[in-house]
Amino acid sequence: GAGVSQSPSNKVTEKGKDVELRCDPISGHTALYWYRQSLGQGLEFLIYFQGNSAPDKSGLPSDRFSAERTGGSVSTLTIQRTQQEDSAVYLCASSILRGLSYEQYFGPGTRLTVT
Amino acid sequence: LAKTTQPISMDSYEGQEVNITCSHNNIATNDYITWYQQFPSQGPRFIIQGYKTKVTNEVASLFIPADRKSSTLSLPRVSLSDTAVYYCLVGDPLGNQGGKLIFGQGTELSVKP
Repeated sequence: GAGVSQSPSNKVTEKGKDVELRCDPISGHTALYWYRQSLGQGLEFLIYFQGNSAPDKSGLPSDRFSAERTGGSVSTLTIQRTQQEDSAVYLCASSILRGLSYEQYFGPGTRLTVT
Repeated sequence: LAKTTQPISMDSYEGQEVNITCSHNNIATNDYITWYQQFPSQGPRFIIQGYKTKVTNEVASLFIPADRKSSTLSLPRVSLSDTAVYYCLVGDPLGNQGGKLIFGQGTELSVKP
């Protein structure tokens, strides 16, 4: 079946511009996560959506970052006034509770480069 | 959330068994241990999850001692395609964290011919 998809796959933007990154989770998955990964680094949690609950925004690095999830499905991560340190791969994952397992399925990521 | 510590890198040869140990001294009662694998330019992929003792699937085995303060991922007879970064994560899938997992730096496994 279809996995998690993300768009665009690559994005180059100028410093100060806003960008929107899109994530289409697996159909029926109730949980959705955004992470980012800088070159050669581990994953950094950004934000988490679960059903209709208020999102867990504890990982967002600054107020320039925001995310929404419409209709419990598609999610958009917005970065305003991009900075060079925002350059990274942004990964989206979705999951559903099966028994006691919240196995996360990751998308291919969006590589963001801020020049 | 429990913090995990694992080796930064490991080297192995094809056909060998590889064991990667992860320390999680402050694991909570409701926490599960999960391992993910990440190839370059791809998102992480779930490998295995366990709570205690031993779990085995078609890819790997997970050994968890009685005190649960560490866990060992065992990859039997590795091949070149097992070269990847392996992440150990600890979290409560049913708690109010709702399955949110914190990824550490991971272990970069390099399998040589």
